Amino acid sequence: ELKVEQNPLFLSMQEGKNYTIYCNYSTTSDRLYWYRQDPGKSLESLFVLLSNGAVKQEGRLMASLDTKARLSTLHITAAVHDLSATYFCAGKNFGNEKLTFGTGTRLTIIP
Amino acid sequence: DVKVTQSSRYLVKRTGEKVFLECVQDMDHENMFWYRQDPGLGLRLIYFSYDVKMKEKGDIPEGYSVSREKKERFSLILESASTNQTSMYLCASSTFGKNQPQHFGDGTRLSIL
Repeated sequence: ELKVEQNPLFLSMQEGKNYTIYCNYSTTSDRLYWYRQDPGKSLESLFVLLSNGAVKQEGRLMASLDTKARLSTLHITAAVHDLSATYFCAGKNFGNEKLTFGTGTRLTIIP
Repeated sequence: DVKVTQSSRYLVKRTGEKVFLECVQDMDHENMFWYRQDPGLGLRLIYFSYDVKMKEKGDIPEGYSVSREKKERFSLILESASTNQTSMYLCASSTFGKNQPQHFGDGTRLSIL
């Protein structure tokens, strides 16, 4: 059964700084997702990563996948206040459509 | 755009009541899911469905059941609500395909008194 560990749980950072959120998973997964959730809102899909070495970028966010290390990262470049949210990674269980979510990283960007 | 609609944003029920949470999607997706979200625990899968009248247990199915009579609608049922089922409930849908994420509804915040 796939397990997903995400860290840190909380992250407070200043505008303009760079930081990385880490997502480790326990067994083979053929897809890794990143989602964003704003307070009181639903989850918004950010990235779908399919293969080893996959890298996707959208604005100040970049996600990557290392299937050998069973690690995905979400890198934030030159953070701005609008990026304050909770970020979740989720791995797809091999052989079915189930997703296993990490516990989320609550990111707060301080002006 | 995919639209996943949950029938209530907020719901308050009493212990022992039978509770129905409804979810409708408008994109003809095959797959539908029910999660609960609790602080510090992330999202946990309750039940999912690949097709009409088909259901599979997720990670925490105890105390819940589901119904999928039509492709677009997936209902979550709390047979006899208990206080430990107070939570945020999220419905999602997806279609098969490697690039396809699950699309989520706005959630129902359910309080059991």
